Parts: sequence; structure tokens; C-alpha cells
Amino acid sequence: GAGVSQSPSNKVTEKGKDVELRCDPISGHTALYWYRQSLGQGLEFLIYFQGNSAPDKSGLPSDRFSAERTGGSVSTLTIQRTQQEDSAVYLCASSTSGGADTQYFGPGTRLTVL
Amino acid sequence: GDSVTQMEGPVTLSEEAFLTINCTYTATGYPSLFWYVQYPGEGLQLLLKATKADDKGSNKGFEATYRKETTSFHLEKGSVQVSDSAVYFCALKKQGAQKLVFGQGTRLTINP
Repeated sequence: GAGVSQSPSNKVTEKGKDVELRCDPISGHTALYWYRQSLGQGLEFLIYFQGNSAPDKSGLPSDRFSAERTGGSVSTLTIQRTQQEDSAVYLCASSTSGGADTQYFGPGTRLTVL
Repeated sequence: GDSVTQMEGPVTLSEEAFLTINCTYTATGYPSLFWYVQYPGEGLQLLLKATKADDKGSNKGFEATYRKETTSFHLEKGSVQVSDSAVYFCALKKQGAQKLVFGQGTRLTINP
């Protein structure tokens, strides 16, 4: 079946612009995660959604970052007023439930802020 | 806080060599432990996992044993292939938590 998909695969933007990154989880997966992979910080957790529960936003690095998940499926990560340090690969993952061990990752969106 | 430490790369080996990538963790309780692999141009894939002490995870010839006494989960393979060239990430997930905590990754290159 289809895996986790993300779009766009690459995004180049200018400092100060807003960007939206999209994630389509595996059908039927109730849990969705965003991670960021950067040279300086490695792979770090950003935010977690489980069903209709309030998301765990504990990993968001600043209030410029936000995410939503509509209809319990597609998720959008928004970065406002992008900065150069936001340049990274943004990874989305999903799992059958929040307690499930195995998270399935998408191919990522490479964000470059000029 | 919880953390994972992997041996620094890059690691370069010849085909058929024995591979060990060290991984140690710091966490309270009994986390689940994972190895993920990222092949060139692809997303992260789960390679193997272990959920309790002394469990051995295995897949594609790779093995790792959950050692509670040494808080380690070292990845091993007896005979590597060129196709094993990738970046390997060790990770933990605490009981009741949802996020994965990753090590910094180890880039492995296998030469023919």
C-alpha cells in the first residue's frame, strides 16, 4: 500500500517568508509526527497528533512554527517568517496508534531558506 | 533528559567485513530501542527493534541486543555488502511516550 507522502520534496524560500509543508499519512494511521533533520541538531521531534486529542507541541522550537491536522488525516506544518536556521529536512511519520512502536517515515521536505 | 549516543562516523569498510556500530542510551525506565536506516535519496526505514532487556532484534542480517546493564544497543552484521551503505540511526522511545529520541546518525560506506 501507499506509504507516507510529503510535499513539496524541495522548497527554497527567502528569509522572512512563510512556508507550508504537507504530509499525507498512511491510511488508517491515527498517530502523526513531525521531526526535523538538520546538520547542527540531528533528528529532533517537533509535534505529535493522535486522533482528536490535543497535539503534543513540546518539540516546536518557536512560536513561528505551527501545525494542524485536518479530519484526522492530512497535516500541514507552517513556518512563519522563516529564518536561515530553519533550513533542514522536515520529516513526517505515522503509526497505527500513539502507543505503537513502529513509526513509518515519509521521504521528507528539504527546506532551504536563503 | 533522555538521549542516545552513537559512534561517530563516517565508517568505511570493505565488502564482507564485520560491522559494529555502537549505541548507548540514557533514559529512565525501560524504553524500546530501534535502529533506523536511511539509504541515499530515501526516507528513514525501521531496520530492527527490541522492546525489553535481553531481546535481540534482527533483520537483513543485522542484529542488535538490548543490554540493560550497559544501556547499549549495538548494531552488528557479520558480512556487509555495498548495498548496506547508508546512514544508521539508533533511537529510543520511552514507555507511554510517543516521540522517538534519535542519536546523531552514523554514515556507513562499504567499498567493493
